[in-house]
Amino acid sequence: SAVISQKPSRDICQRGTSLTIQCQVDSQVTMMFWYRQQPGQSLTLIATANQGSEATYESGFVIDKFPISRPNLTFSTLTVSNMSPEDSSIYLCSGGTASYGYTFGSGTRLTVV
Amino acid sequence: DQQVKQNSPSLSVQEGRISILNCDYTNSMFDYFLWYKKYPAEGPTFLISISSIKDKNEDGRFTVFLNKSAKHLSLHIVPSQPGDSAVYFCAASAWGAGGTSYGKLTFGQGTILTVHP
Repeated sequence: SAVISQKPSRDICQRGTSLTIQCQVDSQVTMMFWYRQQPGQSLTLIATANQGSEATYESGFVIDKFPISRPNLTFSTLTVSNMSPEDSSIYLCSGGTASYGYTFGSGTRLTVV
Repeated sequence: DQQVKQNSPSLSVQEGRISILNCDYTNSMFDYFLWYKKYPAEGPTFLISISSIKDKNEDGRFTVFLNKSAKHLSLHIVPSQPGDSAVYFCAASAWGAGGTSYGKLTFGQGTILTVHP
């Protein structure tokens, strides 16, 4: 199964600023996804990162707030824009194939102050 | 609308005994189910999966059972070990639906498993 490196592992950011999270996969994968885990809650899908085209966002998430890039089959970024304290969460990227169980990165713990 | 539910926030078992984690779902389109384990400060780790065409899948100490008519699945860990202590998430996918549903996972809220030595 794929191995995913995600960075940064954590950050404390000022409100109104933006943070870009990077995910690098050690092999080419068709599917990559971005999730959010708010404190005490489950993982919620933000969007599917599509290679070479615009990401597909889930209800409640918009491109202006969470722009995503996926320039190739091994790399993707998620930007959390114009941050507020409500954006404090763990952000996770995921990729691979369902038959081997999608692999997750180690997560980015974001605190907005 | 919580389409995947894990109604037990926590479970405590003795080392060597069986751990049974439960999960219910409401969406009839779900046809592929996965269990993940998550330690603090780490991403979820895939454990085991099951397709809706099966009712049981086994991998070492882990067995997943699926009851489609009840829309219920369970994860059995036998024997339980202290290293199994973690948060367990079940997840579901509408794999056969294709299109924009392809590959997306819907997660339950998680169950904290504590295995006591």
